[in-house]
Order: sequence, then C-alpha cells, then structure tokens
Amino acid sequence: DIVMTQTPLSLSVTPGQSASISCKSSQSLLHSDGKTYLYWFLQRPGQSPQLLIYEVSSRLSGVPDRFSGSGSGTDFTLKISRVEAEDVGVYYCMQGIHLLPWTFGQGTKVEIK
Amino acid sequence: EVQLVETGGGLIQPGGSLRLSCAASGFNVSSNYMNWVRQAPGKGLEWVSVIYSGGSTYYADSVKGRFTISRDNSMNTLFLQMNSLRAEDTAVYYCARWGFDCWGQGTLVTVSS
Repeated sequence: DIVMTQTPLSLSVTPGQSASISCKSSQSLLHSDGKTYLYWFLQRPGQSPQLLIYEVSSRLSGVPDRFSGSGSGTDFTLKISRVEAEDVGVYYCMQGIHLLPWTFGQGTKVEIK
Repeated sequence: EVQLVETGGGLIQPGGSLRLSCAASGFNVSSNYMNWVRQAPGKGLEWVSVIYSGGSTYYADSVKGRFTISRDNSMNTLFLQMNSLRAEDTAVYYCARWGFDCWGQGTLVTVSS
C-alpha cells in the first residue's frame, strides 16, 4: 500500500499569516496518463470532508485562491495564504493513483491563534 | 444540484449485519466510480470500497470478505452490505464519487454489545 505522511500534524496560525502542510507518498503518484493523482481535503468540525485541490494543484471551483497546491512525484505541499477563521479544521492529503487501496494522510489539524 | 445522502446507520451488536444506502441526485451513480470512506471516532479517513462504472468492485483488506458494495441504477443508489461486524468497524461512513468532489453527510455505525 502507498503510505501518505503529513507534517506537521497540528498547526496554530495567526489570522492573515500563511501556513504550509507537507505530504509525502511512499511511491510516485505520477500515472502513465501523465496526471498526478494527489488530492487535498478540508474537514471542518462536524462536517464531511470537502475537496480543495485535485491533481496536485487544480483548485475546485469555488475554493478561494488563498489555497494552492504544489509538488510532484512523491513530495507535495498545500499552502494557505492569509489564513482566515473559516480555514480551521483538519486537512488531509490523499493519493488516488490507480493502485488500490487509495490512502489518506493522517491529517493536519489547523487552528487559529 | 449534485448531492449524496446516506442512510442506514445505527447501533448493531458484534457479528451482526447492516446495509447502508447512499442516494444520489444530480448525476448518475452508474457512470461514476462510487466509493465508501469511513472515519472512526476521533480518527482519520479510511477508504473502504469502490464500485467502478463497469461494475468491478474492490475492498480494503480490513473489510474484504465481510462487506459488499453494490448499486441500483434504477434507484440511482449505492449500497454497502456489512456483515460480521466488529467493534473496529464503528465509524461514520461516507459515500463519495470518484474525484471526491462530492461527499454525503455520513451515517454513523456503532458496533457494540
């Protein structure tokens, strides 16, 4: 199975400052079709997960441009610029390359200072 | 509007069975890869099962041989039949379509005597 490792596991951020979350996979997520199947989700308290970023860096429609994803191969980063109160929750990366099982990172809890 | 609504969760004794349903609207279950993902209390996300548009099914090792994913195209509904339930199956179960851009609200399954 592909292991997804997120760091840090928790983050306390001052509103208006930026935050970065790292996600490393145990195998390359680059598929033979040229796409890299790395996703980022936010799970706000008491809610279902919601997709923020797909294929490393593509933002889902409606997601603020404060959220950006980058990386390649096995190393990926989610950056939140100008953190706001509504960004509080747990962030998960997930690999969806066509090699089951699809696996999630452990989650990174983001709180506001 | 694209929407998924899960039902069927509840309290069940170890060894018992339960069937979860996930009613879709705004898109066709039959033409998408449909997934079940679960989250144990206070824990992270765990992919459980997928049914491909062609009908192939796959499972996490933790549920293989006990859970069965299926769909009813006429009802536009996804199912998860869960047998031989164990305490460690206690979780909120979410359905999500491939791409993970749409998740249900989740349904809680509690396995306890």
